[in-house]
Amino acid sequence: SQELEQSPQSLIVQEGKNLTINCTSSKTLYGLYWYKQKYGEGLIFLMMLQKGGEEKSHEKITAKLDEKKQQSSLHITASQPSHAGIYLCGALDQTGANNLFFGTGTRLTVIP
Amino acid sequence: GAGVSQTPSNKVTEKGKYVELRCDPISGHTALYWYRQSLGQGPEFLIYFQGTGAADDSGLPNDRFFAVRPEGSVSTLKIQRTERGDSAVYLCASRLGDRSYSEQFFGPGTRLTVL
Repeated sequence: SQELEQSPQSLIVQEGKNLTINCTSSKTLYGLYWYKQKYGEGLIFLMMLQKGGEEKSHEKITAKLDEKKQQSSLHITASQPSHAGIYLCGALDQTGANNLFFGTGTRLTVIP
Repeated sequence: GAGVSQTPSNKVTEKGKYVELRCDPISGHTALYWYRQSLGQGPEFLIYFQGTGAADDSGLPNDRFFAVRPEGSVSTLKIQRTERGDSAVYLCASRLGDRSYSEQFFGPGTRLTVL
């Protein structure tokens, strides 16, 4: 089965600072998903990356998938308190797989 | 439009009891998933439905866990003889169509506590 390692496990930043969260796999990723979760709420979809070298942005969040499709990063520019939460990467471990395997998450705290 | 809804939001039960957790997917979504999330962990896959049938139940931990989706919409996750280790947040997700790359939409989860 797929194993995803996220780093760091937790992150505390001052409002306005940039930050990066990493997600690494020992196997090729056929689809990499980033979700955000707040306490008591479900997972909110952020972005999905599929091709090696792909990069997507939405507002102040940018996600990249490396050429080998084994590592993804999530970068937040000029962080805000609304960015606080748990960020989870999930992946399909083979073409045609239907379920996602998730990392353990990165807890982000943004200090106003 | 309405998202994925789950009931109850919280369930406290005693060891050995039977519980049912309900998931209402987004209307028209044919794919439905159940995941379990323990404290400090990412969600773990339990079972996947495409329509009414369980296409993949390889994530169910043992035969105390069972899920149904009789009409291809609402799904119920059933846990028999609950154990303290079953305490977790149970998440349901739905997806449009049978394309695995399309986004899974998650519900808010049911927090199950087994005393």
